[in-house]
Amino acid sequence: KNEVEQSPQNLTAQEGEFITINCSYSVGISALHWLQQHPGGGIVSLFMLSSGKKKHGRLIATINIQEKHSSLHITASHPRDSAVYICAVRSYNTDKLIFGTGTRLQVFP
Amino acid sequence: DAGVTQSPTHLIKTRGQQVTLRCSPISGHKSVSWYQQVLGQGPQFIFQYYEKEERGRGNFPDRFSARQFPNYSSELNVNALLLGDSALYLCASSFSDMNTEAFFGQGTRLTVV
Repeated sequence: KNEVEQSPQNLTAQEGEFITINCSYSVGISALHWLQQHPGGGIVSLFMLSSGKKKHGRLIATINIQEKHSSLHITASHPRDSAVYICAVRSYNTDKLIFGTGTRLQVFP
Repeated sequence: DAGVTQSPTHLIKTRGQQVTLRCSPISGHKSVSWYQQVLGQGPQFIFQYYEKEERGRGNFPDRFSARQFPNYSSELNVNALLLGDSALYLCASSFSDMNTEAFFGQGTRLTVV
């Protein structure tokens, strides 16, 4: 079992829909990152959080440390949001990033 | 400000050859980490360097090596390439080696034939 699990693996949506991507982890962490990867490979850091909730534009990230779970929400989705969204946790013991396998999101007009 | 830059962007090598990948961190960042991302999977940690010292190494064979220079740029070397080394190699920089936000480069896509 992977230390970081994401669901769903693939997600399709119509423009304007509210989207939720989930991340569960099994290790002790000092922080959790949400990353966005477009075709071609480059990764953009969306959020780094260790508690509570963060919001940036149409993106919202929440984390529940007790339940070892985080969610990434996209409100009013747009085709330009189409990308792979990756959850990564920083291990409390090793301080290294452990990545999930990603959620591939496609938003259609 | 320039972000994390990696070179080359694409590379094709033959089995058994050696390859060197380069990474320039964001100005002021002293930590560089390297990751391998095989198609369809999440990135896997290879190395972390901070202040020119190796701070961590992932579960990769000794064919993989890296170093960090006084200007904090870094090189990843892979010897005796195997087909399975074909992947996207990502570099990330951060200000320090402990629990700070990581900024990723565009990656180098290595194909071994």
